[in-house]
Amino acid sequence: AQRVTQPEKLLSVFKGAPVELKCNYSYSGSPELFWYVQYSRQRLQLLLRHISRESIKGFTADLNKGETSFHLKKPFAQEEDSAMYYCALSGSTSGTYKYIFGTGTRLKVLA
Amino acid sequence: EAQVTQNPRYLITVTGKKLTVTCSQNMNHEYMSWYRQDPGLGLRQIYYSMNVEVTDKGDVPEGYKVSRKEKRNFPLILESPSPNQTSLYFCASRRGIEEKLFFGSGTQLSVL
Repeated sequence: AQRVTQPEKLLSVFKGAPVELKCNYSYSGSPELFWYVQYSRQRLQLLLRHISRESIKGFTADLNKGETSFHLKKPFAQEEDSAMYYCALSGSTSGTYKYIFGTGTRLKVLA
Repeated sequence: EAQVTQNPRYLITVTGKKLTVTCSQNMNHEYMSWYRQDPGLGLRQIYYSMNVEVTDKGDVPEGYKVSRKEKRNFPLILESPSPNQTSLYFCASRRGIEEKLFFGSGTQLSVL
C-alpha cells in the first residue's frame, strides 16, 4: 500500500534544542519526497523537497531509500518553527498520479 | 502575484443544500487538486485534474463532484452535503507531476 507515516502527532522541544520530525513512506516506485509546513492561520507551503537538496530555514531532510525514510531535522529549534509539518510524496502508479500526505506532526518550540 | 484563490473562506450550510467552493489559479498550472484536512487524518485527496476536462478520483471522492472546463478554475461541488463533510478544504495546483503544490488559503465548511 502507498502511504506516508508520521508517527508523532505532537513534538515539543525547547528553544535551541535539536529537532527531528520522522517520516517513513511505502511506495512501489521512486517517489519525489516533500516537507510542507503550515503556520498558524496560514496556508500550507513547501518547506523543502528532496530533489533540490537545499536547506530552508535551517531545516534539512535526507532521503534514506533503504529505510524508506525522509526525516526532517534542524540542529537548533526556534520559537518561530512552531507549526504543523506534513511529509508528502508524489509519484505515478498504473497511470494514476498520487500526491500522498502523512497525518502531520505539530511542533511546539518552548521558550 | 502567483496564487491559488479559494472562496469562500468560511461556509455554514445545512444538510442537503447544494454548494460550490470555487478555486482559481493564475499560474497556468495544468494540475489541480482538492484536499480535506481533518484532525488526526492529515490531508486526504478528494479529486484531481491533470488538465482541462481530465479529472480523476482521489482517496475520498464520495459525496463530491468536480469540473475542469477551464485551465484556471477547478470548483468543488457538494450536491447534497452531510455533516461528515464538515472539514477544512484546500485547493492546490502545480506545474508538473512531481512539482511542489501551491495551496489556497482554505475553506472551513460546517454542515449542520
